[in-house]
Amino acid sequence: GAGVSQSPRYKVAKRGQDVALRCDPISGHVSLFWYQQALGQGPEFLTYFQNEAQLDKSGLPSDRFFAERPEGSVSTLKIQRTQQEDSAVYLCASSPTDGGSYEQYFGPGTRLTVT
Amino acid sequence: GQQVMQIPQYQHVQEGEDFTTYCNSSTTLSNIQWYKQRPGGHPVFLIQLVKSGEVKKQKRLTFQFGEAKKNSSLHITATQTTDVGTYFCAGNGGAQKLVFGQGTRLTINP
Repeated sequence: GAGVSQSPRYKVAKRGQDVALRCDPISGHVSLFWYQQALGQGPEFLTYFQNEAQLDKSGLPSDRFFAERPEGSVSTLKIQRTQQEDSAVYLCASSPTDGGSYEQYFGPGTRLTVT
Repeated sequence: GQQVMQIPQYQHVQEGEDFTTYCNSSTTLSNIQWYKQRPGGHPVFLIQLVKSGEVKKQKRLTFQFGEAKKNSSLHITATQTTDVGTYFCAGNGGAQKLVFGQGTRLTINP
C-alpha cells in the first residue's frame, strides 16, 4: 500500500508569502503529526491530530503557523508571512493508533526555503 | 519541558568496527523509539522499548532501555556500509508527542 505522501516536495517562498503544505497519511491512520526538521537536527514536534481533533499544538512556533485536518485524513500545515527562520524540512507522520506509543510512519517531507 | 540528549553527534568508523550511540532524557519515559534516517531520506522506525531494563536485538543491532527509563543505547556490531545514516532516539514522556534527540550521524569507511 501507499505510504505517507507530502506535497510539494520542495517550496521556495519569498519572505512574507503564505505557504500551504499538504500531507496524505496512510489510509485509516488515526494519528497525524507534523514536525519541523532543521539541517543537522532531529525532528521537532509541531502539532498532533487524533482523527480531526487537534489535541496538541504546543510545538507551533508562532501564531503564523496553523494546521488542520478537517475530515480526519488529509492535513494541511499553513505558514503565514513566512520568515527566513521558517526554512526547514516539514515532516508529516501518521500512526494507526492514538498518541506516541506506536511507531510513526514518516512522509518524505517538504523542504521549505524562504528567501 | 522534556529534553532528549544524544551523543556522540558524529561517529566515523571503519567498516567492520562496532558503533554505539547513547540517549539520555531529562525525565522518565514511558517508552523510547529509535529511528534511522538515510542521507536525503526521512526517519524510518527501527524499534520501540517499553520496559525498564529491556534489551532487544535485530540482527547486528542491540537496543537497551535503562533501569530508570531515562536512558537508552543502540549498538551496532560489525558495521556495514548499509548502516550509514543518522540514528535518532525519540522519547515519549506519556503525552501524545515524541521528543527526538539531535541524532548521531554514522559514516563508514569501506
